[in-house]
Amino acid sequence: DVVMTQSPLSLSVTLGQPASISCSSSQSLVHSDGNTYLNWFQQRPGQSPRRLIYKVSNRDSGVPDRFSGSGSGTDFTLKISRVEAEDVGVYYCMQGTHWPRTFGHGTEVEIK
Amino acid sequence: EVQLVESGGGLVQPGGSLRLSCAASGFTFSNYAMSWVRQAPGKGLEWVSGLFDGGRTYYADSVKARFTISRDNSKNTLYLQMNSLRAEDTAIYYCARGIFGPDYWGQGTLVTVSS
Repeated sequence: DVVMTQSPLSLSVTLGQPASISCSSSQSLVHSDGNTYLNWFQQRPGQSPRRLIYKVSNRDSGVPDRFSGSGSGTDFTLKISRVEAEDVGVYYCMQGTHWPRTFGHGTEVEIK
Repeated sequence: EVQLVESGGGLVQPGGSLRLSCAASGFTFSNYAMSWVRQAPGKGLEWVSGLFDGGRTYYADSVKARFTISRDNSKNTLYLQMNSLRAEDTAIYYCARGIFGPDYWGQGTLVTVSS
């Protein structure tokens, strides 16, 4: 199985400051169709996961533009340009290229 | 508006069976691949199974040969038949649209396996 490794496991950020989460995969996530199926999800306390980013850098509808994704191959990053209170929660990367699909262990973001 | 509503969770004894359902609305269900993802209490997300609109199915090794994913396009419903349940299957089970990176998720249904 493809192992997704996230860092850090937790992040304490001052409101208005940037945050960055890394995700690395044990194999390249480039699919045979040419796409790289690396996704980022946000799970707020008590809620279902919500997709923020798909195919590395595409923001979902309604996702604030302070969220951005980047990377290629096996190394990816989610950045929040200015953390707001509503960003508290756990963030997961997930690969959709190989079977079985796999998630990172999650990064908990809290406000300092 | 896309909606996914799971049902069928509950308390079951080890070795027992349960069938989860996911009622979909707000989109053409038959055109989409679907997934089940679970989350054990206080833990992270674990992908369980996927079903393409054409019928191909995939499973996590931890549930292979015990769980079966299926769909009824006439009822806009996704199913997960779970047999030989174990304590480690205890989790919230989410239904999600898509298989490369699910874009819509239900609220989840809790399955507890305990004697």
